[in-house]
Amino acid sequence: EDQVTQSPEALRLQEGESSSLNCSYTVSGLRGLFWYRQDPGKGPEFLFTLYSAGEEKEKERLKATLTKKESFLHITAPKPEDSATYLCAVETQGGSEKLVFGKGTKLTVNP
Amino acid sequence: SQTIHQWPATLVQPVGSPLSLECTVEGTSNPNLYWYRQAAGRGLQLLFYSVGIGQISSEVPQNLSASRPQDRQFILSSKKLLLSDSGFYLCAWRGGTGELFFGEGSRLTVL
Repeated sequence: EDQVTQSPEALRLQEGESSSLNCSYTVSGLRGLFWYRQDPGKGPEFLFTLYSAGEEKEKERLKATLTKKESFLHITAPKPEDSATYLCAVETQGGSEKLVFGKGTKLTVNP
Repeated sequence: SQTIHQWPATLVQPVGSPLSLECTVEGTSNPNLYWYRQAAGRGLQLLFYSVGIGQISSEVPQNLSASRPQDRQFILSSKKLLLSDSGFYLCAWRGGTGELFFGEGSRLTVL
């Protein structure tokens, strides 16, 4: 069974304190890995798609990387407005139309 | 550009009452559409997806049903709500490179 595990469940940072969120996955064949940001009471907002090991994507203070077993979302010099829940999802090969989501990491950045 | 709308945004329903949540997408044709549910402390759970009018795939045996009467309309229904149906319901459409774009969500509380 395809599984996605995100860690830590919650992370508190001071403004400017860089850190990383982890998404580990166990799938039969990875077709794509997706990162989302979700604010309270809102739908998830798409951030990145990664397709193969070694790939990296950047957007402002966020950088996503991918290996054969996990993905990291690096947050450099975070600001309070980066506070949100970050979700990871995978799509497996074989023509499936489904994304399997992790439970997310709730990030709080204190000023 | 593409947009996705969900309504109602919030609703409180008694146990045993019917449910209808509606989702419409603009700016794209023949999209793959999805209904997810997000319960407290759990990840996003795929409920239904549709690749075309009248084509519905159910992922979880439950008290809910879905219909797609028009190309860009996706409806989630129930004849009799249970307490366990409470949650945050999200509609999404699938972009060309596999990513999902979510609506703002519908918060359902069953009392």
